[in-house]
Amino acid sequence: EPEVTQTPSHQVTQMGQEVILRCVPISNHLYFYWYRQILGQKVEFLVSFYNNEISEKSEIFDDQFSVERPDGSNFTLKIRSTKLEDSAMYFCASSLTGSGNTIYFGEGSWLTVV
Amino acid sequence: EDKVVQSPLSLVVHEGDTVTLNCSYEVTNFRSLLWYKQEKKAPTFLFMLTSSGIEKKSGRLSSILDKKELFSILNITATQTGDSAVYLCAVEVRGNKLVFGAGTILRVKS
Repeated sequence: EPEVTQTPSHQVTQMGQEVILRCVPISNHLYFYWYRQILGQKVEFLVSFYNNEISEKSEIFDDQFSVERPDGSNFTLKIRSTKLEDSAMYFCASSLTGSGNTIYFGEGSWLTVV
Repeated sequence: EDKVVQSPLSLVVHEGDTVTLNCSYEVTNFRSLLWYKQEKKAPTFLFMLTSSGIEKKSGRLSSILDKKELFSILNITATQTGDSAVYLCAVEVRGNKLVFGAGTILRVKS
């Protein structure tokens, strides 16, 4: 079964450092997403990406965050200057059609900011 | 603000019991409602519901949506220990984004 893969699975970083989380979506998918889940809280939407541009972003996705699809296969989330409150599980997801039943989630990247 | 509320927050049952998980929502631009199972990390898709009153079924799991009363239920019959997980309800809204509830933690004891 095709899957969304994410790296790293776990990263510990110092506050203020830049972090890049990487994702390889399913190969024929066209819609890409980042969600995050702070420990003990809801899964929250960050951003959706289609046709090489952001199609929707949440209030959480401020200027400290950026996304890129640099080479047609990877989809990255960059956090420029991490804060303690950025500690969370970050899920990448991809979808063929943008419809909910075609969204596949990766296993997540657990980010700990110290 | 779009809101999805799940109940109960957690549930402990014995194998063989039937459980009903609830999800109510208040969103603008509803497109669909989805149920996911989250065991360790990634949510895995269970059902997508778009129309009221049509039951979706997969084995021992079933789900139905009421768009007038703005809620959905997920039923699991003859529960097994392997059903232990967090069950997430999410509503797909315009912009291809999912608004999640907090989840229901289900523990099935043998």
